[in-house]
Amino acid sequence: GAVVSQHPSRVICKSGTSVKIECRSLDFQATTMFWYRQFPKKSLMLMATSNEGSKATYEQGVEKDKFLINHASLTLSTLTVTSAHPEDSSFYICSASGTGNSYEQYFGPGTRLTVT
Amino acid sequence: EDQVTQSPEALRLQEGESSSLNCSYTVSGLRGLFWYRQDPGKGPEFLFTLYSAGEEKEKERLKATLTKKESFLHITAPKPEDSATYLCAVHGSSNTGKLIFGQGTTLQVKP
Repeated sequence: GAVVSQHPSRVICKSGTSVKIECRSLDFQATTMFWYRQFPKKSLMLMATSNEGSKATYEQGVEKDKFLINHASLTLSTLTVTSAHPEDSSFYICSASGTGNSYEQYFGPGTRLTVT
Repeated sequence: EDQVTQSPEALRLQEGESSSLNCSYTVSGLRGLFWYRQDPGKGPEFLFTLYSAGEEKEKERLKATLTKKESFLHITAPKPEDSATYLCAVHGSSNTGKLIFGQGTTLQVKP
């Protein structure tokens, strides 16, 4: 149980284009989804928290107009990197937390974004 | 401010050499301490949740323990496939669902 998928696993795009990453909870309903960014040999950096049907809450320093998050259903959240630049190249990971009080987060496999 | 510190940063063990990873935390109103395993290029894999001091959980060669100030991840007779980065995270009463992560301990087990 508690499986989270991400698509695509790898994406290469040109500078100035937009890229959408999907995060799905496959076997549970995710009331809250989180988006992280991870730099090489570093820990996870939380970008934003999204609740189904609500606007995402962004962490300080994260541009909400650049990283658009949509949590349209209890099983799907998307992150769109708009007008991507090489400095946006990174490993993006989503996680999902279900109903109940455990606060456990289950992570997707990650998406490697390379902007050329 | 809630904080998590993991030590050591890196650990090299011989196969079969047991050891422990440390996670020290400062949090207001601990609601859960979480251990994850992360392999290179992959997302973290959930291992354990601990809720209160004195609690212990085991899974194969791993055992997690919790006190009021720290948690240990004990690895008994490790195998090369246990090589990974182990992440500790806490959820406190002020975090509104967010996890505060430590920097991780990268474990390498040599055959």
